[in-house]
Amino acid sequence: SQTIHQWPATLVQPVGSPLSLECTVEGTSNPNLYWYRQAAGRGLQLLFYSVGIGQISSEVPQNLSASRPQDRQFILSSKKLLLSDSGFYLCAWIRDTTEAFFGQGTRLTVV
Amino acid sequence: GQSLEQPSEVTAVEGAIVQINCTYQTSGFYGLSWYQQHDGGAPTFLSYNALDGLEETGRFSSFLSRSDSYGYLLLQELQMKDSASYFCAVRGFQKLVFGTGTRLLVSP
Repeated sequence: SQTIHQWPATLVQPVGSPLSLECTVEGTSNPNLYWYRQAAGRGLQLLFYSVGIGQISSEVPQNLSASRPQDRQFILSSKKLLLSDSGFYLCAWIRDTTEAFFGQGTRLTVV
Repeated sequence: GQSLEQPSEVTAVEGAIVQINCTYQTSGFYGLSWYQQHDGGAPTFLSYNALDGLEETGRFSSFLSRSDSYGYLLLQELQMKDSASYFCAVRGFQKLVFGTGTRLLVSP
């Protein structure tokens, strides 16, 4: 069966520090992968998506970047975090163009 | 681009029926799906409609009208555990865009 791993679960980082969140998928090949951010009590904002190795599409210009170094690995990064980067970050992959599976999420607090 | 609108909050009592509406605007449409998210957790898939009509999965049903760019999620025989946020999402070409979310509060 397919599973998606995302870590860490929680993270507290100072303003100006770097960020690296990793997401890996098991049990499938060539998945479409997505990064979303959710502010408290709000909807899911699509940040980046990738349809293959090295292929990244950015939805919202901001302080973040994404990379896909391997088929089943998707990484979200920042060189210098801002307070506004705080939120709940979710990695997802979509099966058969219909159903999205999410990782457990990373709750990031920038202080 | 895509945009989806949902009511921000809906309240109901146990055993009742509730309908959560979703209207969307999109430049490309492959289907409308629904997700449930409990506080602190990740969204989980509930249902998907690619064609017009009603899809039923247990106590949950989802409806789509592509001509009206409208869909809804119907929850029957509400239980306390149904208290959560519900999101509609539009599947466009290579993208899945979520609505603003509806918080459902079920009271005894």
